[in-house]
Amino acid sequence: GIQVEQSPPDLILQEGANSTLRCNFSDSVNNLQWFHQNPWGQLINLFYIPSGTKQNGRLSATTVATERYSLLYISSSQTTDSGVYFCAVGLTSGTYKYIFGTGTRLKVLA
Amino acid sequence: DAGVIQSPRHEVTEMGQEVTLRCKPISGHNSLFWYRQTMMRGLELLIYFNNNVPIDDSGMPEDRFSAKMPNASFSTLKIQPSEPRDSAVYFCASSSIWLAGGRDTQYFGPGTRLTVL
Repeated sequence: GIQVEQSPPDLILQEGANSTLRCNFSDSVNNLQWFHQNPWGQLINLFYIPSGTKQNGRLSATTVATERYSLLYISSSQTTDSGVYFCAVGLTSGTYKYIFGTGTRLKVLA
Repeated sequence: DAGVIQSPRHEVTEMGQEVTLRCKPISGHNSLFWYRQTMMRGLELLIYFNNNVPIDDSGMPEDRFSAKMPNASFSTLKIQPSEPRDSAVYFCASSSIWLAGGRDTQYFGPGTRLTVL
């Protein structure tokens, strides 16, 4: 089955720093979402980005489907950005399943 | 819209008891997904429905697990009998899937934290 790998697995930043999170996938996908799971466990949509680039405030994401990766950029990080970031990919054939990556655990220090 | 609603938010039960988790999807969405999250296995898709019909239940761990969607606004996930290894956070999510093959953003509920003693 498709493999979804995220890197780095853990990341510690000082408040105000920038970071790039990566999601690699092993097969063709027609859908990709980024989620933030906050310290209370809630999964929050960040981006629906099967291809191209999107920006929302301090966050932006780029997906290059032909090269099978997506990047999430966090600029001027804040302590509220702490939590786990997941990418989830939707397969191209026969199913509407999403496969989740293992996540990047981010801690932003004040 | 209130978003995806799940109940209960927390459930503590004893091994062997029946557990029923409930989900109300976002109005207008035609697909519903049940996930389980554990430290060991991460986020796993258990089953998903499209237009109230179960489409893929390959993630359901065993016969003790069953899910139903009697109408577009309600779904249940039942575990009978429950075991300690079922302890996890169970999430429900909803989305829209179109006949042409496209799909929309998936929205998650707050989850149910299940502890089986």
